Amino acid sequence: QKEVEQNSGPLSVPEGAIASLNCTYSDRGSQSFFWYRQYSGKSPELIMSIYSNGDKEDGRFTAQLNKASQYVSLLIRDSQPSDSATYLCAVNRDSGGSNYKLTFGKGTLLTVNP
Amino acid sequence: ETGVTQTPRHLVMGMTNKKSLKCEQHLGHNAMYWYKQSAKKPLELMFVYSLEERVENNSVPSRFSPECPNSSHLFLHLHTLQPEDSALYLCASSLRPGVAGELFFGEGSRLTVL
Repeated sequence: QKEVEQNSGPLSVPEGAIASLNCTYSDRGSQSFFWYRQYSGKSPELIMSIYSNGDKEDGRFTAQLNKASQYVSLLIRDSQPSDSATYLCAVNRDSGGSNYKLTFGKGTLLTVNP
Repeated sequence: ETGVTQTPRHLVMGMTNKKSLKCEQHLGHNAMYWYKQSAKKPLELMFVYSLEERVENNSVPSRFSPECPNSSHLFLHLHTLQPEDSALYLCASSLRPGVAGELFFGEGSRLTVL
């Protein structure tokens, strides 16, 4: 069973702090990794993708990938109340091939307190 | 119109009804997807169409029937559904068939089966 595991939360952080969201996956053949943000009552929105080991930064967001440990994380610096949402980790086996099956975790609910 | 639009946004139907969900994407993408989102469960891939050809049918019951008349439109025909089919049905598109992780979602159709 190929799975993506996330702590369901809620993860509560004060405004201005760093929020750290974690995700582990079971399929060692996974090549592509994604973070989606889903506000309550809204649809998921892609915020980060990462394909290689290491860090990838985009504004206040940093994705970190460690394939040896089968671990991917998302750091949100200077957290804002507008970052309060559910964050979904998603994993794909191929890095651009014909595998359409994106496996999602259940998501972590993040609450940023003013 | 921009992005991915879904209609209707809300649908209530009896178990003997027949209804359809509609999705339209204005992004020039070549692949379209139906996902099911239920409470406390990960997003579940239902169907994938690439260049109007169905490339993935993820063991979905036959009471769900997809249709993709062209690369911009996707339908999900529903008949004799069960109460456990009540969920948020999300349509998504991606630019290239192989880049399955970079999805653009519509706002979803909230389905309630009585």
